[in-house]
Amino acid sequence: ILNVEQSPQSLHVQEGDSTNFTCSFPSSNFYALHWYRWETAKSPEALFVMTLNGDEKKKGRISATLNTKEGYSYLYIKGSQPEDSATYLCAPRVSYGGATNKLIFGTGTLLAVQP
Amino acid sequence: DSGVTQTPKHLITATGQRVTLRCSPRSGDLSVYWYQQSLDQGLQFLIQYYNGEERAKGNILERFSAQQFPDLHSELNLSSLELGDSALYFCASSSIRDRVGEQYFGPGTRLTVT
Repeated sequence: ILNVEQSPQSLHVQEGDSTNFTCSFPSSNFYALHWYRWETAKSPEALFVMTLNGDEKKKGRISATLNTKEGYSYLYIKGSQPEDSATYLCAPRVSYGGATNKLIFGTGTLLAVQP
Repeated sequence: DSGVTQTPKHLITATGQRVTLRCSPRSGDLSVYWYQQSLDQGLQFLIQYYNGEERAKGNILERFSAQQFPDLHSELNLSSLELGDSALYFCASSSIRDRVGEQYFGPGTRLTVT
């Protein structure tokens, strides 16, 4: 069973604070790492996909890094805004016998940004 | 809007009953995935179909089954329902042309078993 751990489980910050979350995953059978943003009452929305060790992706104030050798990814949010409040999910994509599109989701980090 | 549609949005039914959840993937996407999200649990992968064929299986119970039709829409059938089957069920789709296999999620069906 592939264990994906995200920390912290929840985070409460003030508007303007910068924050980061961690996703840890076993590095064997690794194919790609996906980050999703999930707002309450909506469906998960893709943020980033990273495949190579050392990958860094950026989208506005949000960026992510990937270390496939040690099995972790960081998500950073610079200058958090109330609209960033959501659950952030990471999901490594693993390869088992040719089926390479199986995402294993972590339980997420719930971010609440106070105005 | 991801382009993935799911019906119904909400479903309330009794234990022992059977329900069918429906998903239409984004236009052109051949792969459909089903996920279950229960209280206090992350999204659990249930099953994947590709162009009508089962491609990968996750933690799907024997009481559950799925299929993908020639028009690429998919249905998830849940039978002999138990209280613990109450959850949010998501469908996602992806394109074979997308090398990184990004999955696009539908709005979900919230199933309540009473």
